[in-house]
Amino acid sequence: AAGVIQSPRHLIKEKRETATLKCYPIPRHDTVYWYQQGPGQDPQFLISFYEKMQSDKGSIPDRFSAQQFSDYHSELNMSSLELGDSALYFCASSLGWTEQYFGPGTRLTVT
Amino acid sequence: TQLLEQSPQFLSIQEGENLTVYCNSSSVFSSLQWYRQEPGEGPVLLVTVVTGGEVKKLKRLTFQFGDARKDSSLHITAAQPGDTGLYLCAGAGGNEKLTFGTGTRLTIIP
Repeated sequence: AAGVIQSPRHLIKEKRETATLKCYPIPRHDTVYWYQQGPGQDPQFLISFYEKMQSDKGSIPDRFSAQQFSDYHSELNMSSLELGDSALYFCASSLGWTEQYFGPGTRLTVT
Repeated sequence: TQLLEQSPQFLSIQEGENLTVYCNSSSVFSSLQWYRQEPGEGPVLLVTVVTGGEVKKLKRLTFQFGDARKDSSLHITAAQPGDTGLYLCAGAGGNEKLTFGTGTRLTIIP
C-alpha cells in the first residue's frame, strides 16, 4: 500500500539559510499535518491543511510557512534557519479527520 | 493545553513476560491513537480507539480506552524482542491535531 512520501530524507543547512521540505500524502487523503520532533522528544504539531486550506496552527515559528497544493502535496518552507531548528520533521496525512499516517521524516541538521 | 502522561517512561523486561503501558490525561479526547516508533523513522499507527470503554486486540497487544475517554492502556502479552521500540499514545481533539504522550521506551531482553 502507498505510504506518505517525504523529501528529502536528510538535509544539511547552515544558519540563516532556507530549506523546503516536501510531503506527498497517501492517495485520496485530503488532510496533511506537519510535526517537529527534537532529539528525545515527542512530536510537536506545527500546522495542518484540509482541502488546501490551513485548518490549524500549532507551535510553528513565524519564520516557517507552509501550503498545500492542488494535488494535495504540501511544502514546509523554513527561513533564517537556527541551530535549534535541527530536528526530525514528519508529515502525516489522513482522509478528513481520521487516523493519521506518518511519513518517514526529514532529518534537518543546521550547522 | 492538553497533556498526555505516559508511564512508565522506560521499561526493560525479559522475553515472555507481560507488561502494561499507561497513558493518562485530565482532558477528554475524541479519539486516541497508539503508535510505535523506531529511531529515525516515522511513528507507525498501531490502533485507534474512539468509544469510551472500548477494547481492541492486535495479536498479543490489547488496547483499552477509558470510560471517560481521558486515559488508555496498552497491554502486551508474552513480550518478544521484536516488540522493542518507543510507544507513543496520541490524543485527537479539535481539528484532530494530535497531542502526543511523553512516550514509553520498551526493551525486551532475549
